[in-house]
Amino acid sequence: QSVLTQPPSVSAAPGQKVTISCSGSSSNIGNNYVSWYQQLPGTAPKLLIYDNDKRPSGIPDRFSGSKSGTSATLGITGLQTGDEADYYCGTWDSSLSVWVFGGGTKLTVL
Amino acid sequence: QVQLVESGGGVVQPGRSLRLSCAASGFTFSIYGMQWARQAPGKGLEWVAFISHDGSTKYYTDSVKGRFTISRDDSKNTLYLQMNSLRTEDTAVYFCARDFCSTTSCYDYWGQGTLVTVSS
Repeated sequence: QSVLTQPPSVSAAPGQKVTISCSGSSSNIGNNYVSWYQQLPGTAPKLLIYDNDKRPSGIPDRFSGSKSGTSATLGITGLQTGDEADYYCGTWDSSLSVWVFGGGTKLTVL
Repeated sequence: QVQLVESGGGVVQPGRSLRLSCAASGFTFSIYGMQWARQAPGKGLEWVAFISHDGSTKYYTDSVKGRFTISRDDSKNTLYLQMNSLRTEDTAVYFCARDFCSTTSCYDYWGQGTLVTVSS
């Protein structure tokens, strides 16, 4: 059971928009920056969003991040079949002195 | 280009030891913090350990404290994870990754992973 809570799965049609939530507490999301990772089947994770809402170079602006209080959200617009993957949020937990990942959300593009 | 290549995985009996290596290239290794994360078969990502750029700060997830040791050799551009007293629940693909962020840690480059199987 992760300290960061994500929905196990989300789905949407190609071209549509989807959001993935990540809920935590004041010791993690509430007082630290959040990053998001995409993991395609059989591959290593890939950084999509860092510092809550920044995109590394090469990440398309279809991907966005936001944070409010103790929750963060990843948004993906213009869904493509290639976006089907597992998505993880992550941040530092200041009380536990550990890095934490969310449990992961499987995105299905119908 | 930045590359991280893990090695050292394999099949090991419970209670035995294993040392993983992560060879870094394409960037100045000595100025970056590094982490190990793992993923059990069919499960989500689990952070394992972090080491600061100068090796002075180390953090571990509770389940490996006292059994695993993270270290680095900047002269060899290599990150290590010494794993002792291995348990069946340590079975996973182990990834190393570079800490990119100057604020809260975030990990921009990951290796391809090395599989550790703990089984009798």
